[in-house]
Amino acid sequence: DAGVIQSPRHEVTEMGQEVTLRCKPISGHNSLFWYRQTMMRGLELLIYFNNNVPIDDSGMPEDRFSAKMPNASFSTLKIQPSEPRDSAVYFCASSFASGGSTDTQYFGPGTRLTVL
Amino acid sequence: DAKTTQPPSMDCAEGRAANLPCNHSTISGNEYVYWYRQIHSQGPQYIIHGLKNNETNEMASLIITEDRKSSTLILPHATLRDTAVYYCIVRVPNTGGFKTIFGAGTRLFVKA
Repeated sequence: DAGVIQSPRHEVTEMGQEVTLRCKPISGHNSLFWYRQTMMRGLELLIYFNNNVPIDDSGMPEDRFSAKMPNASFSTLKIQPSEPRDSAVYFCASSFASGGSTDTQYFGPGTRLTVL
Repeated sequence: DAKTTQPPSMDCAEGRAANLPCNHSTISGNEYVYWYRQIHSQGPQYIIHGLKNNETNEMASLIITEDRKSSTLILPHATLRDTAVYYCIVRVPNTGGFKTIFGAGTRLFVKA
């Protein structure tokens, strides 16, 4: 298995531009997570999906951020318009949540976003 | 907020066992303890998880106290490549089920 795939690996953009981050979860997994990591705030959960449905988006910073999961094998995180404070590493993770108490997440390599 | 408490950093000599403690005094009866690690610039990596019995896999061992209020991750023979931030996690309840909250973790330095 290729693991969780994220693209692009690096993105440099200018303030005000739209940014779209992409994630392909591990085949067979039914939960998908988006995290953001900065030095100041550590690793923060932004949103997670279960069976393609957003379950908790309370971590999404503001309306400039949106996430979609149109099917089981693809998700996007969009920032529009981007701001310098959005600069961070964004991780996608997936898991197979059986409804019980276990939920082992597998992370992608991350997208390093720099907003100038 | 994370439901766990870990020391911010630890040192370990190469080849020796690294014992990383974690307190989770408010853990509920059916919640698992998870350990992940993050090597610099990489995504977090799953290590091990357990409920109440001790667990061992090819990466590490997990010792959970009988009252389940604390646990210890053991890397039996630490190598330089084990230098990383180690996260101990107990999921927190929220609408729709539970969610995983990462704390600050323990930064482990393995020294030659």
